[in-house]
Amino acid sequence: AQTVTQSQPEMSVQEAETVTLSCTYDTSESDYYLFWYKQPPSRQMILVIRQEAYKQQNATENRFSVNFQKAAKSFSLKISDSQLGDAAMYFCSNNNDMRFGAGTRLTVKP
Amino acid sequence: NAGVTQTPKFRILKIGQSMTLQCAQDMNHNYMYWYRQDPGMGLKLIYYSVGAGITDKGEVPNGYNVSRSTTEDFPLRLELAAPSQTSVYFCASSYSRGFQHFGDGTRLSIL
Repeated sequence: AQTVTQSQPEMSVQEAETVTLSCTYDTSESDYYLFWYKQPPSRQMILVIRQEAYKQQNATENRFSVNFQKAAKSFSLKISDSQLGDAAMYFCSNNNDMRFGAGTRLTVKP
Repeated sequence: NAGVTQTPKFRILKIGQSMTLQCAQDMNHNYMYWYRQDPGMGLKLIYYSVGAGITDKGEVPNGYNVSRSTTEDFPLRLELAAPSQTSVYFCASSYSRGFQHFGDGTRLSIL
């Protein structure tokens, strides 16, 4: 079965600092999309950022950016200038096989 | 614009009871999905649909059934509820395999 792996169950970052969350995936497809979703305590699933596999340029959305390494099947999320509101569970997803990673719980320290 | 609407938000069932979780979307998305999320875990795909009349099993389909008679609705049926089905259930929709829009979830407890 194709999988999505998040190797960091928990991460912590100081407010205003930068943190990187890791994700690796396995797929036999050549064209696919990758996503990071945020799940705050409210339980809502919120799209953070997306990356099309055919694009070499890494996606960026304000303070959020990705490091997409297609050959290594790696898709990490970098959060710059961390804010208290960034505290949440973060899930990586490969929408080609509709799988999610187990998640990383991010804590932001004031 | 309501997006994806799930009902009910909470439900307690007794072992062996049946129920249907409702999901509706108003974005004319062709893809719809059902996931379950156990405490502290990620989302596991139960069933998905790529269009009205077409459904397929996901990772954990046992104990569940779905139907997709319209583009808008994708109900999930639990027959003979078991304690192992205690979970939070999320419905989602997307245009093709784009990013998914999620409902607010249904917390289901089976006692």
